[in-house]
Amino acid sequence: EAGVTQFPSHSVIEKGQTVTLRCDPISGHDNLYWYRRVMGKEIKFLLHFVKESKQDESGMPNNRFLAERTGGTYSTLKVQPAELEDSGVYFCASSQVIPSNEQFFGPGTRLTVL
Amino acid sequence: DAKTTQPNSMESNEEEPVHLPCNHSTISGTDYIHWYRQLPSQGPEYVIHGLTSNVNNRMASLAIAEDRKSSTLILHRATLRDAAVYYCILSRDPSNQFYFGTGTSLTVIP
Repeated sequence: EAGVTQFPSHSVIEKGQTVTLRCDPISGHDNLYWYRRVMGKEIKFLLHFVKESKQDESGMPNNRFLAERTGGTYSTLKVQPAELEDSGVYFCASSQVIPSNEQFFGPGTRLTVL
Repeated sequence: DAKTTQPNSMESNEEEPVHLPCNHSTISGTDYIHWYRQLPSQGPEYVIHGLTSNVNNRMASLAIAEDRKSSTLILHRATLRDAAVYYCILSRDPSNQFYFGTGTSLTVIP
């Protein structure tokens, strides 16, 4: 069974540009989470989807971040315009129906904003 | 916010037991305690989780204090493949979002 995949593995962009990160969860997992670790900080929750619906966006830092999950399959996280402080590693995780508790993480996308 | 506190690093000799501590004094009654580990260039990987009682699985054991304000991950015989960053995490309803600690970097000495 394929795990959670993320694309790209690495992205380097300039301040003010737009970047879109993609996450493909494990097939059949309704729950999809985005997290990120910025320099020197803990991994922090961004948001949670159940199928195509956003259940909890409380961790999204500001309106420059937009997450979508059309059709309840893969998800994208767009940063527009990117700022220097957005640099870090963005993780996606998926899980089966709550209360599954176990989240399966992808390898992450390392974003560098110059 | 839920918060966990862990030592930055620990060392263990190969084939010795390892006890990784975590404090979570702000834990709420329904928060689960999770442990994940992360190898370089990989995402966090599940190790074990529990709510109130101690838990055992093939990878490790989880000892939870009676007041639930701390827990200890126990690796019974450390191997070189256990060298990783170990995260103590609380999960909270309704979304089951994870609150990560800063992690403990475990070095296993041959």
